[in-house]
Amino acid sequence: EPEVTQTPSHQVTQMGQEVILRCVPISNHLYFYWYRQILGQKVEFLVSFYNNEISEKSEIFDDQFSVERPDGSNFTLKIRSTKLEDSAMYFCASSVIGGRSYNEQFFGPGTRLTVL
Amino acid sequence: AQSVTQLDSHVSVSEGTPVLLRCNYSSSYSPSLFWYVQHPNKGLQLLLKYTSAATLVKGINGFEAEFKKSETSFHLTKPSAHMSDAAEYFCVVSVSGSARQLTFGSGTQLTVLP
Repeated sequence: EPEVTQTPSHQVTQMGQEVILRCVPISNHLYFYWYRQILGQKVEFLVSFYNNEISEKSEIFDDQFSVERPDGSNFTLKIRSTKLEDSAMYFCASSVIGGRSYNEQFFGPGTRLTVL
Repeated sequence: AQSVTQLDSHVSVSEGTPVLLRCNYSSSYSPSLFWYVQHPNKGLQLLLKYTSAATLVKGINGFEAEFKKSETSFHLTKPSAHMSDAAEYFCVVSVSGSARQLTFGSGTQLTVLP
């Protein structure tokens, strides 16, 4: 059964460093998403991506974040200068289509980011 | 803006007994509602979804949920718990017209006792 994969499963970094979280969505999916969950808090939407551009983003997704689909399979989230408060579990998701009709979002297992 | 409230952070049941995980939602528009489950070290998996069709929705693994507009609730139930049901469960809402953005509840950890 196809699934979304994420690497690494755990990333430890120093404050101020750049990190790139990687995701491989399901191959025929067209919409891609990032969510995050700070320990003890809710899963929060960060950004959705379609046709090589951001389609929606939340207030959390500020200038330090960027997303990219560098090739036909990977979808990445970059945090330019990490802060302590960026420590969280980051989930990638993908769906066949988006828009008005809901299409199931398939989630990866997450990357736990720890900023020291 | 939409939101969901999961009324219990932890629920513990004995194997073979019914499961009830409670969720209330708030939405200005016609919502779509979902339950996702997360087993340890696994991604979030869709259990079931309500998208304005039948109010009683059946999902995988014997779970079902009933959309009650008058009570703004979408509780998840299962008649008989199995050990493999132990996981974290998330109630999720998306607003019609913005199906790309999901809003999650805080989660309910289900423990199943032998």
